[in-house]
Amino acid sequence: QSALTQEASVSGTVGQKVTLSCIGNSNNIGKYAVGWYQQISHGTPKSVMFGNSLASGIPDRFSGSKSGTTVSLTISGLQPEDEADYYCSTWDYSLSAWVFGGGTKLTVL
Amino acid sequence: EVQVVESGGGLVQPGGSLRLSCAASGFTFSSYRMNWVRQAPGKGLEWVAYIDSSDGTIYYADSVKGRFTISRDDAKNSLYLQMNSLRAEDSANYYCVRELIVADKADFFDMWGQGTMVTVSS
Repeated sequence: QSALTQEASVSGTVGQKVTLSCIGNSNNIGKYAVGWYQQISHGTPKSVMFGNSLASGIPDRFSGSKSGTTVSLTISGLQPEDEADYYCSTWDYSLSAWVFGGGTKLTVL
Repeated sequence: EVQVVESGGGLVQPGGSLRLSCAASGFTFSSYRMNWVRQAPGKGLEWVAYIDSSDGTIYYADSVKGRFTISRDDAKNSLYLQMNSLRAEDSANYYCVRELIVADKADFFDMWGQGTMVTVSS
């Protein structure tokens, strides 16, 4: 069981806005910024968001937000190329370890 | 080109050992914290180990503690993972990952290699 909880799957149509969530606790998301990583067809993971900042080369239809121990990744204007697995990750103070969510499979219908 | 390239993966029997290497280029390797992250076939990402860039601090996932050893050679711009007492559940693609410090309590994985596949099977 992952330390961070993500939806197993989310789907949306082209142009739609979708939001992926990542739920942690006071030892991880409550203390540290969260990164989001995109993995297309089990290829090399790619950085999407560093906290609320976009990684290099990521289009501005991606955005991030944080409320307490939950972070969200929102994609406004969903595109076919956004179909991928998305993982959130942060440091966990009590575990002295990096932790990942189980990943969300985003399907573009 | 700024990149990290893993090598050393392969097929090994249960109980065996393997040493993974990661060659960094295009950036000042010694300034960066580094990690190993793995992904079993059809599964999610799992962090394995961390090594600091300055004070030598090392952390391991509980699943590999006592069996794996992370190390680095800044003179060779290289990161290593010595894996002993390998188990079937260690079978995965192992990624070398650079850690970027953006601010206090704001570190992220900003560069990933292509990975090297480790298969533990008899």
